[in-house]
Amino acid sequence: KAGVTQTPRYLIKTRGQQVTLSCSPISGHRSVSWYQQTPGQGLQFLFEYFSETQRNKGNFPGRFSGRQFSNSRSEMNVSTLELGDSALYLCASSLGTSNEQFFGPGTRLTVL
Amino acid sequence: GEDVEQSLFLSVREGDSSVINCTYTDSSSTYLYWYKQEPGAGLQLLTYIFSNMDMKQDQRLTVLLNKKDKHLSLRIADTQTGDSAIYFCAARSNTGKLIFGQGTTLQVKP
Repeated sequence: KAGVTQTPRYLIKTRGQQVTLSCSPISGHRSVSWYQQTPGQGLQFLFEYFSETQRNKGNFPGRFSGRQFSNSRSEMNVSTLELGDSALYLCASSLGTSNEQFFGPGTRLTVL
Repeated sequence: GEDVEQSLFLSVREGDSSVINCTYTDSSSTYLYWYKQEPGAGLQLLTYIFSNMDMKQDQRLTVLLNKKDKHLSLRIADTQTGDSAIYFCAARSNTGKLIFGQGTTLQVKP
């Protein structure tokens, strides 16, 4: 069974731009969660989607948004990028909202 | 609030046992997880334990849970150089979110 895939793997943007990251969960998984990983803040929860509905949201500004499609694929969008948004963005999928999460390899975003 | 704490660094010799400790604050946490992250990679789920269990063993891995003290540990028997990585403890909060510790860097010396 294929694992969680994330595209692109690496991305370089400049301040003020916007970016869209994509995540394809494991086949059959309906829940997708997003995390931001930085050296200073560690792993921080962004949001969780289940059956196209946002179920949980972390403490991030409104510039961070996401959505989930009917095939469970998810995208997250960051608008008006800031230098501090440089991070590894990890996506995780699970069968449901209470099950163990399996992570993708992440997208490394660098904001210049 | 919801918080998970881990020591930042552990160094052991190859063949020794490693014990990585973690404490959490949310007493209503239902599941507790251990993940491994190698350089440049995502997180790999190693094992997890349900909050009504005290211990779980899976090959070289043993998880111990002291629910009263909100303390979780991961023991790796016969540690190998390939076990060198960052290990994250995570607790599923009563809000459904997964709260991670800062990660413990395990260094295995030959």
